[in-house]
Amino acid sequence: EVQLVESGGGLVQPGSSLKVSCVASGFTFSSYVMHWFRQAPENGIEWLAYINTDSSSTHYAETVKGRFTISRDNAKNTVDMQLSSLRSEDTAMYFCARESQLGAFDYWGQGVMVTVSS
Amino acid sequence: DIQMTQSPSLLSASVGDRVTLSCKASQNIYKYLNWYQQKLGEAPKLLIYYTNSLQTGIPSRFSGSGSGTDYTLTISSLQPEDVATYFCQQYNSWWTFGGGTKLELK
Repeated sequence: EVQLVESGGGLVQPGSSLKVSCVASGFTFSSYVMHWFRQAPENGIEWLAYINTDSSSTHYAETVKGRFTISRDNAKNTVDMQLSSLRSEDTAMYFCARESQLGAFDYWGQGVMVTVSS
Repeated sequence: DIQMTQSPSLLSASVGDRVTLSCKASQNIYKYLNWYQQKLGEAPKLLIYYTNSLQTGIPSRFSGSGSGTDYTLTISSLQPEDVATYFCQQYNSWWTFGGGTKLELK
């Protein structure tokens, strides 16, 4: 069974950093492109970052470029995102998801909440 | 960036109704369009990929259509468990989602 489980969320102060992680199981992790998304309370889904299978290519949404960094460890079946210079508007549920071979996000984690507040 | 606009933002319908949700792209996305269902407190769930292909395990009452800039998700006979928010998502140029249509029972 494919599973994605996020961790690392919490309450942090503006300007601080946090790492959210996603551990995968039930599939050959190294064969799949992975993504991070977020969803602010009562809001839509925002795509944040992409990483290809061997980490040679990444891409970010303009809203987080230069502040967030995606990485993966195929030996540990994990994809992480380092969040830096956090702002109140970064408060959201953060999800990781697998991109299927057909270009859709076919499996999602349950999400991890990040709250940025003083 | 490609903008995705969904309408309506809120839709009330009765059990058994045929329901149509719309999604419009700011430019041609060449059918690179997926649909997701999100129930309260849950992660999004893939329903339809590449405009009209039904994801494994999704009931056949869900269907998708469209081309160019205009796309539609149809539920042929609404069931109580279909109460959710539905999002379209393009992948012709990077990835963007529509704002969602919240579907409730009348």
